Amino acid sequence: AQSVSQHNHHVILSEAASLELGCNYSYGGTVNLFWYVQYPGQHLQLLLKYFSGDPLVKGIKGFEAEFIKSKFSFNLRKPSVQWSDTAEYFCAVNARGQNFVFGPGTRLSVLP
Amino acid sequence: NAGVTQNPKFQVLKTGQSMTLQCAQDMNHNSMYWYRQDPGMGLRLIYYSASEGTTDKGEVPNGYNVSRLNKREFSLRLESAAPSQTSVYFCASRAGLRNEETQYFGPGTRLLVL
Repeated sequence: AQSVSQHNHHVILSEAASLELGCNYSYGGTVNLFWYVQYPGQHLQLLLKYFSGDPLVKGIKGFEAEFIKSKFSFNLRKPSVQWSDTAEYFCAVNARGQNFVFGPGTRLSVLP
Repeated sequence: NAGVTQNPKFQVLKTGQSMTLQCAQDMNHNSMYWYRQDPGMGLRLIYYSASEGTTDKGEVPNGYNVSRLNKREFSLRLESAAPSQTSVYFCASRAGLRNEETQYFGPGTRLLVL
């Protein structure tokens, strides 16, 4: 069965700091990878996704993620965070014909 | 185009009471999903419906039932609520089961079972 782990439960950064959130998955076959964001009190929204091709994927709001197949990782990055990036971030994986599996989430707090 | 809508937004139940959570999507999606979100556990799939007329169990189906009323609507029923079912429930939809299709989420229902 697939599983997804996220390295950090809660990350606290100051504005303008760089961000990297770790995500690792366990599945030996071809997978599709997603990062979702949940702003306080809101529903999950797609940040970015990887299906194939260039392993460096750019998403909305300046986020990007890199798929490293050999490490089963799909880490999320942003060069300079803003207070408005305060949210919970979920990594998700799905394999062909299977349902999505979500990680436990990482809460990001950005201090103004 | 409202996307995925859910009702109610908040609900408080007593142990043993029943209720139905409503979900509807207006994107003509084939697949619909019910998740629960608990702190530190991410989203866990309760039930899903790959297409109209079919439903299947997910990771945590016990204590729940679902109905795919039509292509638009997918309801989740708690027959006898328990405190362990206190959670935030999200409905999601997806065009189909092709891998590259994204799931779209509703705003969630916060349920407290006393």
